[in-house]
Amino acid sequence: AQSVSQHNHHVILSEAASLELGCNYSYGGTVNLFWYVQYPGQHLQLLLKYFSGDPLVKGIKGFEAEFIKSKFSFNLRKPSVQWSDTAEYFCAVNGWGDYKLSFGAGTTVTVRA
Amino acid sequence: NAGVTQTPKFRILKIGQSMTLQCTQDMNHNYMYWYRQDPGMGLKLIYYSVGAGITDKGEVPNGYNVSRSTTEDFPLRLELAAPSQTSVYFCASTSTGGSTDTQYFGPGTRLTVL
Repeated sequence: AQSVSQHNHHVILSEAASLELGCNYSYGGTVNLFWYVQYPGQHLQLLLKYFSGDPLVKGIKGFEAEFIKSKFSFNLRKPSVQWSDTAEYFCAVNGWGDYKLSFGAGTTVTVRA
Repeated sequence: NAGVTQTPKFRILKIGQSMTLQCTQDMNHNYMYWYRQDPGMGLKLIYYSVGAGITDKGEVPNGYNVSRSTTEDFPLRLELAAPSQTSVYFCASTSTGGSTDTQYFGPGTRLTVL
């Protein structure tokens, strides 16, 4: 069975600081990887996803993530956060051909102005 | 396009009561999902459907039932509410069910069972 581990439960940053959220997964085959974000009072929405090709994936709002196969990791990064990046971030994974996702526990990010 | 809509937004139930959480999508998506989100636990899949008339259990199906009579609607039923079902419930859909598909989520229903 696949599983996803997000190391940070709550991260507090100041504006303009850099952000990196860790995500590790456990799965025996080829995977697709996702980061979803839930802004306060809004739906979960896709931030970015990786399924093949360049392991450095760029998403919306200046976010990027790097897939490191040897480390089973898919860490999310943003060089300079804004107050509007305050949200909960979820890493998710599925196997190729599987339409069901496994989610991590989520990381709450609070950006202080 | 309204996307995925859920009703109600909030509900308080007494132990043993029953209720149906409604989910509707207007994107003509075949695949629909129900998740529950508990603090520090992420989203857990309750049930899913690959098309009208076809449903299957996810990771945490006990205490819930679903039906899928139309492409648009995927209601989740709680028959005998228990405090352990206090959670936030999200419905989601994808178009083809491809493993790289984006899931589109509804706004959630916050349920408290007392």
